[in-house]
Amino acid sequence: AQSVTQPDIHITVSEGASLELRCNYSYGATPYLFWYVQSPGQGLQLLLKYFSGDTLVQGIKGFEAEFKRSQSSFNLRKPSVHWSDAAEYFCAVESDSSYKLIFGSGTRLLVRP
Amino acid sequence: EAGVTQFPSHSVIEKGQTVTLRCDPISGHDNLYWYRRVMGKEIKFLLHFVKESKQDESGMPNNRFLAERTGGTYSTLKVQPAELEDSGVYFCASSLGLAGVVTDTQYFGPGTRLTVL
Repeated sequence: AQSVTQPDIHITVSEGASLELRCNYSYGATPYLFWYVQSPGQGLQLLLKYFSGDTLVQGIKGFEAEFKRSQSSFNLRKPSVHWSDAAEYFCAVESDSSYKLIFGSGTRLLVRP
Repeated sequence: EAGVTQFPSHSVIEKGQTVTLRCDPISGHDNLYWYRRVMGKEIKFLLHFVKESKQDESGMPNNRFLAERTGGTYSTLKVQPAELEDSGVYFCASSLGLAGVVTDTQYFGPGTRLTVL
């Protein structure tokens, strides 16, 4: 069965530092991958998505993610974190049998001043 | 353009009571999805409507949950009777549903936090 793993439940970084959130998936074919963010009191907002083509995907708010088939990974990165980036981040893969999304358990990002 | 809206934002009920959650998708979106996140675990799929038809309800936990989408616009999710384990955040998402596309971006609402006491 398809699954998504986000190994880090919590990550704390200092403001201005770089960030990498890990995501691993299990899927046989080429996956459709997504990163969503949930800020406090807000819904899930799409940061970026990968369907095909260039494996480095640019998203909103200065985020990017790189699809690595050999490692079954789709890690999210940002070169310099801002305090407003404090939120929970979810990696997801689209099911191979329908349009439903399969989510990881989320990574909560804390930003130190 | 208005996003996906959900009502209520919070609901606190007692075990055995009935609760109805509502979702209004983005105008023109044929696809509507319900997901649930229970107690800090992963967000899990409940069901998928295409217009007014249930396309996939494989994630519905049991027959205490009833989802409807009359007229293919807004949707309701009723829990009757509610149990303690139903507590969590219920998210609704919608997508355009373009014929022939490989995939389709889902836009999420803010969620309804349900607490069953």
